[in-house]
Amino acid sequence: GDSVTQMEGPVTLSEEAFLTINCTYTATGYPSLFWYVQYPGEGLQLLLKATKADDKGSNKGFEATYRKETTSFHLEKGSVQVSDSAVYFCALTPQGGSEKLVFGKGTKLTVNP
Amino acid sequence: DAGVTQSPTHLIKTRGQQVTLRCSPKSGHDTVSWYQQALGQGPQFIFQYYEEEERQRGNFPDRFSGHQFPNYSSELNVNALLLGDSALYLCASSSDSYTDTQYFGPGTRLTVL
Repeated sequence: GDSVTQMEGPVTLSEEAFLTINCTYTATGYPSLFWYVQYPGEGLQLLLKATKADDKGSNKGFEATYRKETTSFHLEKGSVQVSDSAVYFCALTPQGGSEKLVFGKGTKLTVNP
Repeated sequence: DAGVTQSPTHLIKTRGQQVTLRCSPKSGHDTVSWYQQALGQGPQFIFQYYEEEERQRGNFPDRFSGHQFPNYSSELNVNALLLGDSALYLCASSSDSYTDTQYFGPGTRLTVL
């Protein structure tokens, strides 16, 4: 079945460090890929998305590229801030569109000043 | 423009009781999905409602049921509560169009004692 695998956390970085959170997926067809972020005590916010191979999603300095050949959608940011501390979830919708989201287990990021 | 709203924010029940959670979708959205997020885990898809019908269902028992009203708002009902039903319940809304994105509410924290 469809699944998402994220790198295990937690991840702890110093402010202005480079961030990579790995995400790989298994899906039939052509999924849409997403990164959601969850701040403490809150629901999920969409961070970025990509709907077809080689698309790059970007938002707030975060980027991720849809790599069909490696079935990956790694999240990157060049310089993290303390305010980026949160849990990050990689997710897919199996065929795109308004279908169920399949989530990874999440990666907790802590950024220290 | 109001986003997705959920009520109540927190709820405490005892085993065997029944609970109803409510969700109002983002303006212009007609599809509502429900997710269960256990502590430290990614959200798991429960079901999705469109045009007042359950369109898709995840791997949850029949104790979990739902309803969508003509104004697109939705309820999640859980009967015969178990300790393991303690979780954050998230509602997400979207428009029934290809490659659209699901937007999440803040969630309802259910504790079963």
